[in-house]
Amino acid sequence: EPEVTQTPSHQVTQMGQEVILRCVPISNHLYFYWYRQILGQKVEFLVSFYNNEISEKSEIFDDQFSVERPDGSNFTLKIRSTKLEDSAMYFCASRPNLRSTWEQYFGPGTRLTVT
Amino acid sequence: TQLLEQSPQFLSIQEGENLTVYCNSSSVFSSLQWYRQEPGEGPVLLVTVVTGGEVKKLKRLTFQFGDARKDSSLHITAAQPGDTGLYLCAGIRTDKLIFGTGTRLQVFP
Repeated sequence: EPEVTQTPSHQVTQMGQEVILRCVPISNHLYFYWYRQILGQKVEFLVSFYNNEISEKSEIFDDQFSVERPDGSNFTLKIRSTKLEDSAMYFCASRPNLRSTWEQYFGPGTRLTVT
Repeated sequence: TQLLEQSPQFLSIQEGENLTVYCNSSSVFSSLQWYRQEPGEGPVLLVTVVTGGEVKKLKRLTFQFGDARKDSSLHITAAQPGDTGLYLCAGIRTDKLIFGTGTRLQVFP
């Protein structure tokens, strides 16, 4: 069964460094998302992406964050200058362009630790 | 801020017991989903409810969407240790999911 994959599974970085989190969505999906989950807190929406542009973004998704689909398979989240409070699990999700369903398929997540 | 509150936050029960998890909001959602999340993994969709008053069953799990589409419940009959996990409700709003606060369920053999 097709699945969303994410790399790395765990990323440790120092405050102020840039990180890129990578995701490979399911191949025929057209809508892509990033969510994050700070330890012990709820899952929060960051950004949605369709047709090579951002559809919607949350207040969390400030100028330090960017997303890109550099080729036909990868979907990346970049944090330019990481802060301690960026430490969280980051989940990528994708969904097909089907009117009859609204299921988002989530990847296993990348645990980002900022020290 | 759109908020989905789940209750209880934690639930520890013995195998064979029944339980209900609640998801409440002050906002109306066009549809609502329930997810289950295992440690170290992403959320996995269990069900989507769309119509006010809708009831869906998935084996021992029964999901209900409130008539006003502001609340939902998940009822598990005869819980098993394999049901242990984090249960999340999520409302669909424009093109994003708004997740609830989560209910961590532990079922002891």
